[in-house]
This record gives sequence, C-alpha cells and structure tokens, in this order.
Amino acid sequence: EDQVTQSPEALRLQEGESSSLNCSYTVSGLRGLFWYRQDPGKGPEFLFTLYSAGEEKEKERLKATLTKKESFLHITAPKPEDSATYLCAVRGGATNKLIFGTGTLLAVQP
Amino acid sequence: DVKVTQSSRYLVKRTGEKVFLECVQDMDHENMFWYRQDPGLGLRLIYFSYDVKMKEKGDIPEGYSVSREKKERFSLILESASTNQTSMYLCASSSRLGAGTDTQYFGPGTRLTVL
Repeated sequence: EDQVTQSPEALRLQEGESSSLNCSYTVSGLRGLFWYRQDPGKGPEFLFTLYSAGEEKEKERLKATLTKKESFLHITAPKPEDSATYLCAVRGGATNKLIFGTGTLLAVQP
Repeated sequence: DVKVTQSSRYLVKRTGEKVFLECVQDMDHENMFWYRQDPGLGLRLIYFSYDVKMKEKGDIPEGYSVSREKKERFSLILESASTNQTSMYLCASSSRLGAGTDTQYFGPGTRLTVL
C-alpha cells in the first residue's frame, strides 16, 4: 500500500537555526514527490516537485532533495515567516491521485 | 499564476441540510479534485474529475457527490449534512498526466461546520 510518513510532527527552531524535515515514502513506481507549504486556515501552496532520485530543487531558504526512499526539505537560516505546516505528497503508477503525509508543523522563533 | 477559487471561506449548516461547495479554476486544467483535511488525518481525496461530466471516487466518497458541467467548475455536494462532515474542504486542479506540469494547485479552502 502506498504510504507517506513525515517527521518530526512538530519542530521549533530559533531564527537562523538550520534544520531538515523528512518525508519517507513507499509507492509503486514513483511519478512525482511534491512539497507544499500551508499556513493556518489556508490552502496548501505549491513549493517543489521532484521526479527522480538525486534530484534537488531550491527556492530562497528551502532546498528539497530526493532519494529512492525519502525526501528532505532543508531550511537554511530560517526566519519567523517560514513558520507553517509543510506537507509532502507522492504520486505512484498511472494515477492522478496524490497520497499526502500528515505534515510537519514548523515554528521559527525570533 | 494559477488561480483556484472556492465559493465560501466559512460555512455553517445544520444537520440534514443539502450543502453545495463550488470551485472554479482559471488555468484550463483538465483535472479537478476535492479533498477534506482533518487534524491527524491529513488530506483525504473525496472525488476527482478528469474531464467535463466525468468523475471518479476517491478514498472517502460516502455521503458526497460531485458535478462537473463546465471545464472550469467542480462542485461538491453534501446530500444530507452530518456533524462528522465538519471539516476543511480543499479543491485542487491540475493538467492531465503527461501534459507538462501536473502539479495540483489548491484553492483557499472552505471551513464547513455542521451543527
């Protein structure tokens, strides 16, 4: 069964303290791994799509990487405005369906 | 920029009422999706549509129906609302598989409370 597990569930960082969020997945034939950011009471905002092991993408202080079993979202020198829930999702096989993890709630304190 | 809009941000309904949630996208996307999001359970797919008048059940379709009469519009219908349908409802759209980017883009969500 396709599955996505995110860790940790919650993470508290000081401003400037770099860290990583983990997304472990099991899926038959990965057809894309997606990272989203979600602010309270709002819809998820697309960040990155990764398609194959070894692929990396960057946007400002965020960098996403992908292996055959997991993805990491690295946050470098975070700021309070980076506080949000970060969601990971995978699509496998010939389907439009995404399987979501339950997210990591990140809080960055000034 | 992709824009997905939802008819209401907040909605309060009574048990047994028929509820309509509407979603509109402006990117000419073929695929549209309805999810619900609950604490600890993540996003769960209710229904999706890959073309006008076409629909497929997701993982939790019970108690819901959908309608897609126009390409840009996808409606979620709660035939008889129940308290366990209190949730955040999220609509998303994407291009068809193989047509370039197939990322799902989300609307702002509708927080539905059923009393």
